[in-house]
Amino acid sequence: DAKTTQPTSMDCAEGRAANLPCNHSTISGNEYVYWYRQIHSQGPQYIIHGLKNNETNEMASLIITEDRKSSTLILPHATLRDTAVYYCIVRGLSGNTGKLIFGQGTTLQVKP
Amino acid sequence: DTGVSQDPRHKITKRGQNVTFRCDPISEHNRLYWYRQTLGQGPEFLTYFQNEAQLEKSRLLSDRFSAERPKGSFSTLEIQRTEQGDSAMYLCASSPTPTGLNEQFFGPGTRLTVL
Repeated sequence: DAKTTQPTSMDCAEGRAANLPCNHSTISGNEYVYWYRQIHSQGPQYIIHGLKNNETNEMASLIITEDRKSSTLILPHATLRDTAVYYCIVRGLSGNTGKLIFGQGTTLQVKP
Repeated sequence: DTGVSQDPRHKITKRGQNVTFRCDPISEHNRLYWYRQTLGQGPEFLTYFQNEAQLEKSRLLSDRFSAERPKGSFSTLEIQRTEQGDSAMYLCASSPTPTGLNEQFFGPGTRLTVL
């Protein structure tokens, strides 16, 4: 699975959009981009995933660049409860184990 | 459906003791994963089960660690002769089908402290 690079930390004002970037320049054609988040003292929580098209669900939007070398997770109206560590994970079908390989993620602090 | 549950939530033990953790996945989820997370780091994969079969083990899983999933339902993770370096959060996750790309649902974790 390809490696990802994320900023260590970011701040966002409550009510504003939070845009979390992720670089995955070595991603291969059959690998998906996944986002999970981990609120303090809880297990990780799935947010969204995509292959090459932009995706949106009730939690967030995922924008993947045309060359697929980077992506951005967008939380449209951040709340204090969105304060968490956000993990960008690239995952393919290789071996079909489904295991997730986490990096250190981005710590998002939403401030009032 | 109450989600993935783990027991205990916290465990404090002395070095050299054995500990066992339990994970109850979401019912009918075929896949069950164990991860370990140390302070300030992302979770690291330890092992996973497809039904009752343990199909992959990380090299992080030393011979002091053993995991089982009898009858493909709940799973246990045992650590023998615990060491201070085993102190971590142990996370369990399950996913519904064997396609490999489905989202994983995580439990709240068991925090182990080895004194």
